[in-house]
Amino acid sequence: SQQGEEDPQALSIQEGENATMNCSYKTSINNLQWYRQNSGRGLVHLILIRSNEREKHSGRLRVTLDTSKKSSSLLITASRAADTASYFCATVNNNDMRFGAGTRLTVKP
Amino acid sequence: DADVTQTPRNRITKTGKRIMLECSQTKGHDRMYWYRQDPGLGLRLIYYSFDVKDINKGEISDGYSVSRQAQAKFSLSLESAIPNQTALYFCATTSGSYPYEQYFGPGTRLTVT
Repeated sequence: SQQGEEDPQALSIQEGENATMNCSYKTSINNLQWYRQNSGRGLVHLILIRSNEREKHSGRLRVTLDTSKKSSSLLITASRAADTASYFCATVNNNDMRFGAGTRLTVKP
Repeated sequence: DADVTQTPRNRITKTGKRIMLECSQTKGHDRMYWYRQDPGLGLRLIYYSFDVKDINKGEISDGYSVSRQAQAKFSLSLESAIPNQTALYFCATTSGSYPYEQYFGPGTRLTVT
């Protein structure tokens, strides 16, 4: 069964706007990762946040983690048409990695 | 060159046929995984291997088998394909140590008619 659940399932924004995607999970984790998938292709790792971290940045990406609420968010700032893709959170607990169903982001030029 | 390669990239087969999907990686990692992706369901783990002698079932292993021929090679077999195994299949590898990120292959689109 899936561990993470992304919200929203789909998001459509204009180029230049910020995109926020959320991930909720049910059990304890060692870390949480976000991946990107372009249509029909393999997933690409974006960023990892450990359970003892609250926020991480990488370029235009900002990830937060609230272990008390068992939730994480991924913020993409100043979005571009090329950011159009599906985004997945993945929770890692020891050797067990579980993916959510993903958020489909469309950035309109 | 890609770190993880999968063959074939697309395959159409008939119900009852045996089919093998192959995966090779050049990352030098010990851990390899097979996932299945269905629309709206994200990725589900089929099998995983932590080294050549270690094979483990994932959450949806029924109807599948695997072989770890070498550190770099991990193949997935469908002994008798059925239509509900139509999906996108991904192989992945990770070092198993920080940062734990997984490297994915490009996927195999399998259609069972």
